[in-house]
Amino acid sequence: EDQVTQSPEALRLQEGESSSLNCSYTVSGLRGLFWYRQDPGKGPEFLFTLYSAGEEKEKERLKATLTKKESFLHITAPKPEDSATYLCAVQALAITQGGSEKLVFGKGMKLTVNP
Amino acid sequence: DAGITQSPRHKVTETGTPVTLRCHQTENHRYMYWYRQDPGHGLRLIHYSYGVKDTDKGEVSDGYSVSRSKTEDFLLTLESATSSQTSVYFCAISRWSNQPQHFGDGTRLSIL
Repeated sequence: EDQVTQSPEALRLQEGESSSLNCSYTVSGLRGLFWYRQDPGKGPEFLFTLYSAGEEKEKERLKATLTKKESFLHITAPKPEDSATYLCAVQALAITQGGSEKLVFGKGMKLTVNP
Repeated sequence: DAGITQSPRHKVTETGTPVTLRCHQTENHRYMYWYRQDPGHGLRLIHYSYGVKDTDKGEVSDGYSVSRSKTEDFLLTLESATSSQTSVYFCAISRWSNQPQHFGDGTRLSIL
């Protein structure tokens, strides 16, 4: 069974204090790994897609990396506006009519950045 | 923002009543999805559609049905709502199956 585990479940940082969020996964055939940000009362907002081990993507203070078993979301010098829940999802190959490869989500990691 | 509108945004209803949630997109994307989000479970796929009148089940499809008669609209129906279906429901769209999904802002459904 495909699984995604995110750790820690919650993280509290001071402004400027860099850290990393972990996403461990087991999947039968990885098509892609996705990172999302979710603010309270809103839907998830797409951040990155990673397709192969060794790949890295960056956006402002965020950098996502991928290995064969896990992905990290590195947050450099965070600001209070980075406070949100971060979701990791894997797209596993699923042989069904229409060919849609379904996303399996982790439970999320709530980040709080204090000023 | 991706052009996704979910309606209603909030609904309170009673056990045993039928409920229909609507997802409307203006992006002309082929794929549409319905998820539910519950504390301690994360997002779970209910049903998805890969074209007009083409749908398939997700992880937690029992008690739910869907219909897609037009590219832009994807309906989720709870035929006889139960308290266990109290949740936040999200619609998502993607142009192709291997591309990122973009989400609406959700419908908060409470079943008393």
